[in-house]
Parts: sequence; structure tokens; C-alpha cells
Amino acid sequence: KNQVEQSPQSLIILEGKNCTLQCNYTVSPFSNLRWYKQDTGRGPVSLTIMTFSENTKSNGRYTATLDADTKQSSLHITASQLSDSASYICVVGAYSGAGSYQLTFGKGTKLSVIP
Amino acid sequence: ETGVTQTPRHLVMGMTNKKSLKCEQHLGHNAMYWYKQSAKKPLELMFVYNFKEQTENNSVPSRFSPECPNSSHLFLHLHTLQPEDSALYLCASSPDRGRSNQPQHFGDGTRLSIL
Repeated sequence: KNQVEQSPQSLIILEGKNCTLQCNYTVSPFSNLRWYKQDTGRGPVSLTIMTFSENTKSNGRYTATLDADTKQSSLHITASQLSDSASYICVVGAYSGAGSYQLTFGKGTKLSVIP
Repeated sequence: ETGVTQTPRHLVMGMTNKKSLKCEQHLGHNAMYWYKQSAKKPLELMFVYNFKEQTENNSVPSRFSPECPNSSHLFLHLHTLQPEDSALYLCASSPDRGRSNQPQHFGDGTRLSIL
């Protein structure tokens, strides 16, 4: 069964510090991996999308890495800001045996940045 | 502004009521999606429309009835809902269901509470 596991479930860090969120998946065959940011009361917003051949992608202070061999991804946030407080969702895309494209969502990591 | 607008933002209804959720996208996309987001659970895909045609129904109970009159508008008609249907309902769009490396753009959701 395709699964996406994220850790930690929640995280509290001080403003200005760095942090790394983890995503492990068992989705196969792998097509791409996405990270979304979801602010409280808002819909998810795409941060990065990585395909099999990409092992790192940045979006400002956000850097995502992908190890397709170990089926792991991480999202690194540099010099955190209060506005980084949100849930971060890892999503893995795959084509099923019937040829349809499916996304498997993680439960998210809730990040709180405090002054 | 994500380009995907959902109304209403909040809805409280009794189990015998009939209501509809509306989604409109201004991105020129051809695929639209309904998701259910419950606390501490991954997003659950409910329905997918591609070029106005329903392409996926993930075993959603018939008390949820989608409608897609054109590529810019998507509705979710609700009737005789159950308390466990209380959740955040998210609409999303993407250029084409078949283009797997394009991100989905989400609206801010309708928070639904069933009394």
C-alpha cells in the first residue's frame, strides 16, 4: 500500500533558527514528490516539485532534497521567520498499474516558530 | 491570492439540510478536484474532473454530489450529511489531469460543520 510518513508530527523552533522536516514514502512507481505549505485557515500552497532525476530544489529559504534510492525527502528551512508557522505536507505522485496518476498525501508536520 | 476561490468559507448545517459548495478558478486550468481534510488525517481525494468530465470518484457516499458545468466552476452538492462529514473541503485545479509534474492550486476551503 502506498504510504507517506512525515516526521516529526509537530515542531517548535525559535525565530531565526534552521529546521529540517522529514518525509519517507513507500509509493511506487515514483513519479514526483511535492512539498506544500498550509497556513492555518488557508489551502495548501506548492513549495517545490521534484522528479526522480532531481535531488535538490530550492524556493527562497526552503530547500527540498530527495533520495529516490532510500525513498526519503527532507525540507530544510533556513533562518526561520514567524510567517513560516504552518503545516508542511509531503505528497508523492505515482502512476498506478492501470495508468492513472495518483497522489498520496502525508499527514503533515505542524511547525511553530516563536519569537 | 491563489486563483481558486471557494464559497462559502464556513457552513453550518443540520443533517437534513441541502446545501452546495462552490469553487471557481481563474487560472485557465482544465482539471478540478474536491478534497476532504479532516483533523490529523491526510487529504482525501473525493472527485476529479478533467475537461468537464468526471474521471474519478473515490468511493464517495452518494450524499455528496459533484457538478462541473464548465472548466472554471465546480460545485459540491450536499444532502443528508452525517456528523463525521464535518471537515474542511478543499477545491483545487491544475492545467490537465494528465500532466503529472504540474502543481495543484488550492482554494482556502469551506469549513463544514454538521449539527
